[in-house]
Amino acid sequence: QQQVKQSPQSLIVQKGGIPIINCAYENTAFDYFPWYQQFPGKGPALLIAIRPDVSEKKEGRFTISFNKSAKQFSLHIMDSQPGDSATYFCAASRMGSARQLTFGSGTQLTVLP
Amino acid sequence: GAVVSQHPSWVICKSGTSVKIECRSLDFQATTMFWYRQFPKQSLMLMATSNEGSKATYEQGVEKDKFLINHASLTLSTLTVTSAHPEDSSFYICSAQGGVFTDTQYFGPGTRLTVL
Repeated sequence: QQQVKQSPQSLIVQKGGIPIINCAYENTAFDYFPWYQQFPGKGPALLIAIRPDVSEKKEGRFTISFNKSAKQFSLHIMDSQPGDSATYFCAASRMGSARQLTFGSGTQLTVLP
Repeated sequence: GAVVSQHPSWVICKSGTSVKIECRSLDFQATTMFWYRQFPKQSLMLMATSNEGSKATYEQGVEKDKFLINHASLTLSTLTVTSAHPEDSSFYICSAQGGVFTDTQYFGPGTRLTVL
């Protein structure tokens, strides 16, 4: 019940395309859903985060869509660029657990020039 | 805001020696810090959670005597890998949360440990 399932494992898109990464969770106690971007040899960087009281959040070219009833959330990257090529992790946390993050397995995104 | 640093960024040591990794929150007070380990092409594996002034809580399977964690101040946590062996070679990443960032973990740049 603590798992967060992420798909796809890898994704290749052309420059300007809109890659979509999906995550699903089981634990309804989760109330905070961040996305992290990680480049090789670097630590994860927070991209954007959402709470279940909203269905969508946009920050720049990054959009999270959230479906509370389906227990699913996804990351969309608009007008993707080669510099967006990285590994993306979804995560979830809940109150009362020191806000420990449960991570998805990661998606390796490649944006072709 | 929300900058977390780690030092060193990489370290090579001989088997049997101990290595200390520092994690600092530079612009906020981190009441909670986390230590992760990451293998190539895998997700982050939580090793332990530490609160300032308290003993760390280790995840199942993580040897507390091998991975010593100290969180002595609101801006500094250290991870010491004692008697390191080649199987301890990995990418170690810390994160911090606290202050106005109570829900969000901000990650350091990571430390690559290679044990010969």
